[in-house]
Amino acid sequence: DGGITQSPKYLFRKEGQNVTLSCEQNLNHDAMYWYRQDPGQGLRLIYYSQIVNDFQKGDIAEGYSVSREKKESFPLTVTSAQKNPTAFYLCASSISGQGYQKPQHFGDGTRLSIL
Amino acid sequence: SQQGEEDPQALSIQEGENATMNCSYKTSINNLQWYRQNSGRGLVHLILIRSNEREKHSGRLRVTLDTSKKSSSLLITASRAADTASYFCATGNSGGYQKVTFGTGTKLQVIP
Repeated sequence: DGGITQSPKYLFRKEGQNVTLSCEQNLNHDAMYWYRQDPGQGLRLIYYSQIVNDFQKGDIAEGYSVSREKKESFPLTVTSAQKNPTAFYLCASSISGQGYQKPQHFGDGTRLSIL
Repeated sequence: SQQGEEDPQALSIQEGENATMNCSYKTSINNLQWYRQNSGRGLVHLILIRSNEREKHSGRLRVTLDTSKKSSSLLITASRAADTASYFCATGNSGGYQKVTFGTGTKLQVIP
């Protein structure tokens, strides 16, 4: 079955450490997204990519970095510059193209905490 | 700031009752989507309604869109305990980009 796999499910970060969250999809989707979810605040867009080797900053990109070297993969690095990284991180994908926005398919998230 | 704001923030109903959630947004949209999130899980897409549509149905779900009031509602009829989840609206603007903006969600509890 096609879907999105996020790993790990739980991740702990030490001060000054960079950590990378994995996101892999086998849906053959061009567009991929990273969101951060804090309690009571809904989802906020960190980065998105509409095609391989291209990505754009979302609303809260500071302290995060991404790469899109393969269509299937869109890893997110939470750098030490992100001072409040504790949150639930969600990866999503969708088909791309012009016109109206398409439904997004989500992974089951990675919960990041500070040690 | 968030484009969509859901109302109410939390809703508790008995099994079999109908549940209505509302979403208001601030600027013109291309389309509006509703998603469900079970606790600790990713979001699941429920329904998409375009700006030129007024109502859409999918099973027990009914979505309306009033672009003059910049608002949408999601009605779940004959609710079940399995409908317990958070529900989010997401709005997409014109411009050809795929990004959407999510609201803060309504937490629905259906009591068996």
